[in-house]
Amino acid sequence: GQNIDQPTEMTATEGAIVQINCTYQTSGFNGLFWYQQHAGEAPTFLSYNVLDGLEEKGRFSSFLSRSKGYSYLLLKELQMKDSASYLCRTDKLIFGTGTRLQVFP
Amino acid sequence: GAGVSQSPSNKVTEKGKDVELRCDPISGHTALYWYRQSLGQGLEFLIYFQGNSAPDKSGLPSDRFSAERTGGSVSTLTIQRTQQEDSAVYLCASSLAGDRGLRLREKLFFGSGTQLSVL
Repeated sequence: GQNIDQPTEMTATEGAIVQINCTYQTSGFNGLFWYQQHAGEAPTFLSYNVLDGLEEKGRFSSFLSRSKGYSYLLLKELQMKDSASYLCRTDKLIFGTGTRLQVFP
Repeated sequence: GAGVSQSPSNKVTEKGKDVELRCDPISGHTALYWYRQSLGQGLEFLIYFQGNSAPDKSGLPSDRFSAERTGGSVSTLTIQRTQQEDSAVYLCASSLAGDRGLRLREKLFFGSGTQLSVL
């Protein structure tokens, strides 16, 4: 089986940096995905890591350590529109429960 | 179509009735997934179809739930004798997913979901 853990909620201030962690236990790992889900909407793909290290994409970066079963999503220069849930998913079919991020002015 | 299409967008039904939810994946996507999401909760995997392979039904919560995928395209999720705890948003997703080894690396494209309310 597999297990994916994320913090339930986080808050941050506009313009700040926030790191959302995801830990997982799974067999036959082949990669980790991050999705963003605004309230009332479907999840949308953000990033994918298959190798260890940091993948940067604009204000969003995602990090992976396969040996530690650990990933994080880093959001820089936070904007109000970044208020959403952030879900991590391994290359299996299971998602984490998601981290609800609230950005305050 | 341009994206994953689900219908209806909202469904209100009475306890004990059967419901059918439809998903039309992105054209050319061979993999199709059903998830459900209760209010404020994460995504719960239900079932996965890949091409002509036998579907992965490991996430179906009970035998009241079943799904079909006809012609490798449109899928229907059927819930029989609905219960109040079935109330949730049912999300369908599709991906390009080629062979099994690559399948698990494909990013999923989600439809906007069907909000099911069982009274």
